[in-house]
Amino acid sequence: QKEVEQDPGPLSVPEGAIVSLNCTYSNSAFQYFMWYRQYSRKGPELLMYTYSSGNKEDGRFTAQVDKSSKYISLFIRDSQPSDSATYLCAAAGFQKLVFGTGTRLLVSP
Amino acid sequence: NAGVTQTPKFRILKIGQSMTLQCTQDMNHNYMYWYRQDPGMGLKLIYYSVGAGITDKGEVPNGYNVSRSTTEDFPLRLELAAPSQTSVYFCASSARASGGTWVSSTDTQYFGPGTRLTVL
Repeated sequence: QKEVEQDPGPLSVPEGAIVSLNCTYSNSAFQYFMWYRQYSRKGPELLMYTYSSGNKEDGRFTAQVDKSSKYISLFIRDSQPSDSATYLCAAAGFQKLVFGTGTRLLVSP
Repeated sequence: NAGVTQTPKFRILKIGQSMTLQCTQDMNHNYMYWYRQDPGMGLKLIYYSVGAGITDKGEVPNGYNVSRSTTEDFPLRLELAAPSQTSVYFCASSARASGGTWVSSTDTQYFGPGTRLTVL
């Protein structure tokens, strides 16, 4: 079993839709959770990070962690074509950082 | 700041050849990392370094070597290239250790643009 699982997609939505991207993890030692965005043929860039359970909002993006169910989510409101990218979740703790495989998101105009 | 730069962007190697992937960061970060990214497999840590002169193996180190003689540079060496090493390689750096007690955004890993390597 992978420590961080993520649906590879692609997830196709029309412009303006609310997008929900999700990951699950198996290691209870993970305390910190991140979302990276990776445009085609580019390196990943950190979008958001959260500690333990709860929500964090940054503009159109909301990261949510539910440690009881080991579930990580990223919500994108009013999605734009420029949001089309691969989104990687990551979990960290006890000197370990593990990335999910990434979900490809396509936002059509 | 250029951030993290990697050269070359693309390379085709023949089986058994060797090469060095270059990585340089200008953010004065102590921690540097090498990952490979394969389709459907996510990012796998190859090697990392916690400072000049100190390196350690990651999850998939076989077939690779690294050195860290300066804070800025962290080259990755492939000896005797094999088709299994066909991948996209990313170098990253952070001010603090990632995976430990995450205190602030200084723990963020900043990635370079990647090197696409094909071994035929």
